[in-house]
Amino acid sequence: NAGVTQTPKFRVLKTGQSMTLLCAQDMNHEYMYWYRQDPGMGLRLIHYSVGEGTTAKGEVPDGYNVSRLKKQNFLLGLESAAPSQTSVYFCASSYVQANQPQHFGDGTRLSIL
Amino acid sequence: AQSVTQLDSQVPVFEEAPVELRCNYSSSVSVYLFWYVQYPNQGLQLLLKYLSGSTLVKGINGFEAEFNKSQTSFHLRKPSVHISDTAEYFCAVRGGPSGGYQKVTFGTGTKLQVIP
Repeated sequence: NAGVTQTPKFRVLKTGQSMTLLCAQDMNHEYMYWYRQDPGMGLRLIHYSVGEGTTAKGEVPDGYNVSRLKKQNFLLGLESAAPSQTSVYFCASSYVQANQPQHFGDGTRLSIL
Repeated sequence: AQSVTQLDSQVPVFEEAPVELRCNYSSSVSVYLFWYVQYPNQGLQLLLKYLSGSTLVKGINGFEAEFNKSQTSFHLRKPSVHISDTAEYFCAVRGGPSGGYQKVTFGTGTKLQVIP
């Protein structure tokens, strides 16, 4: 059972380039999330989705877009990368029930030069 | 808005000594509380969770946490740490007055450094 899989694991971009991070889960979870992790700041929510075809903004959505065309996939896009978006990005998923924990991928390490 | 405070950014402790990692949250409504552990270059893994009932919750790897509603705290403890416990630990709260139970709020993390 793969759980939550993120691709790619590492990426280096130049300022202004675009890219898409892919998250796939095989647990039939309804909820999916994208976080960024920066030193000393914990995890900050970028966008999330409560079901196929629905997305919502989190705490730090500017500069990012997301799509959830299929229940098992959640894509995070950077339209025009900026150095401030250098970070480690984590995808997570969970069941609807509030007493259920989130399951995390291993992260994507993204550097913007 | 919901907030989670982990006051200690780093906690050094000698091997086989006890440790307590502190977590306080702000909420006037029922919430669900979690502790996650993150080893280097990995994602977060669930350590334990408090849902209801007994205030003392036992998790994996010998960790436990005590829920204190009056102090809005959920401190993590281990009576004797091992080198392999060196990692970053995150307290998280699901639920709160404004966002329902869809979102989870994380603390800023505590790095536990176990010294041989």
